[in-house]
Parts: sequence; C-alpha cells; structure tokens
Amino acid sequence: EDKVVQSPLSLVVHEGDTVTLNCSYEVTNFRSLLWYKQEKKAPTFLFMLTSSGIEKKSGRLSSILDKKELSSILNITATQTGDSAIYLCAPGRGGSNYKLTFGKGTLLTVNP
Amino acid sequence: NAGVMQNPRHLVRRRGQEARLRCSPMKGHSHVYWYRQLPEEGLKFMVYLQKENIIDESGMPKERFSAEFPKEGPSILRIQQVVRGDSAAYFCASSATGGSSYEQYFGPGTRLTVT
Repeated sequence: EDKVVQSPLSLVVHEGDTVTLNCSYEVTNFRSLLWYKQEKKAPTFLFMLTSSGIEKKSGRLSSILDKKELSSILNITATQTGDSAIYLCAPGRGGSNYKLTFGKGTLLTVNP
Repeated sequence: NAGVMQNPRHLVRRRGQEARLRCSPMKGHSHVYWYRQLPEEGLKFMVYLQKENIIDESGMPKERFSAEFPKEGPSILRIQQVVRGDSAAYFCASSATGGSSYEQYFGPGTRLTVT
C-alpha cells in the first residue's frame, strides 16, 4: 500500500522565520511529487517535482526532490501570516492509473 | 479561464437519502479525479475518470457510491442511501490531457453533512 508521511504534523513560528517541511513516501511506480497549500478551501497547487536534485522556486517557496531517499522538502523563507495553512505533499503514480496519494499534511501557523 | 467548479458547496442530507455532487473540470481538461477528506484525515483518492470512462475506481467504496463523467456535462459523484459516516468534504480535481504535465487542480469542494 502506498504510504506518505509528513513531518512535523504541526509547526508554530513567528513572521520572518524560515521553515522546512518534510515529506517521505513509498509509492508503486512513482512518477512525480506534488505540493499543495490548503487553507479553508480547495488545495492550491504549488509545485510538481519529477527530477531529483533540481530545486523549484516560486517567490519565498522552494522545493526539492530526493528520489534516492524517497523524500522531498518544502522551504518557506521570511514567513508571513498569510502562509498559515496546511501543506500537503502527494506523490503520484505513472501509467494509466495515475493518482495522487496525500499525506495528512503539516499545519503551519505563522504568528505576527 | 475558470477553475474547477463544484456544486453544491454545502449539502445536507438525512440518512437514507441520495447525494449528488457535481464537478465541472477546467476548460481543456478531460481527466477528473474525486477525493474525499474525512475530518482529521488526509485527502483520499476515490476515482479517476475520463470522458465516458472510469479509469480507476480503486478508492471508491463498493456499495452505494458511483461516479460518471458523461460526454456532455459535469462529472457526477452519487452516494445512495447516505449514512453519517459519509459526512466529509468531497473534492474534485482535473488535469489536462496528454503531455508530461499531470498537475491536478482542485475545486472548492462539496461539504456533505448527513443528519
């Protein structure tokens, strides 16, 4: 059975701090890993990673995949209160039965 | 370009009634996925459909649940004879056809409450 573990489960920081969120996975026929941000609504797509060691960056957020270690990290620098959300990682399978397996997420709270 | 649309956003049903949840994918997307999020749980895959075809329904309960994505119109997730345990947020996602990009974009979800 596919498995996804995110850590920490929750994190409280102050504005301006830098955070690192972790995701480890065991997925059959792994193809890619996706990161989403979920506030009180639909998960919002952040990144899709397919290649090991190549950092993807969007503003203050960045992410990297390590296929050897079956893991990924999401970094957020200079955090703001608007970054408060649940961050979900979801490895996806390849082939015709492509689907995402979600972790339980990391609840990030950024205090002013 | 409108995003993924779901309706209704909130649905209340009594035990034993039927629930119908609708999802219109993003323009140009012909792959639809349904996920369920139970309280305090992560999103769980239910079913993956393309137009007129169910590709993978391995995450769907065998009884009472069905899904379709007709040639015309939205995808429908149907839950017959709902029970309290069906109360959850149901999210639909869509992705584009072909290529190497499989980003799934999510709709706002339908929150089903069974009383």
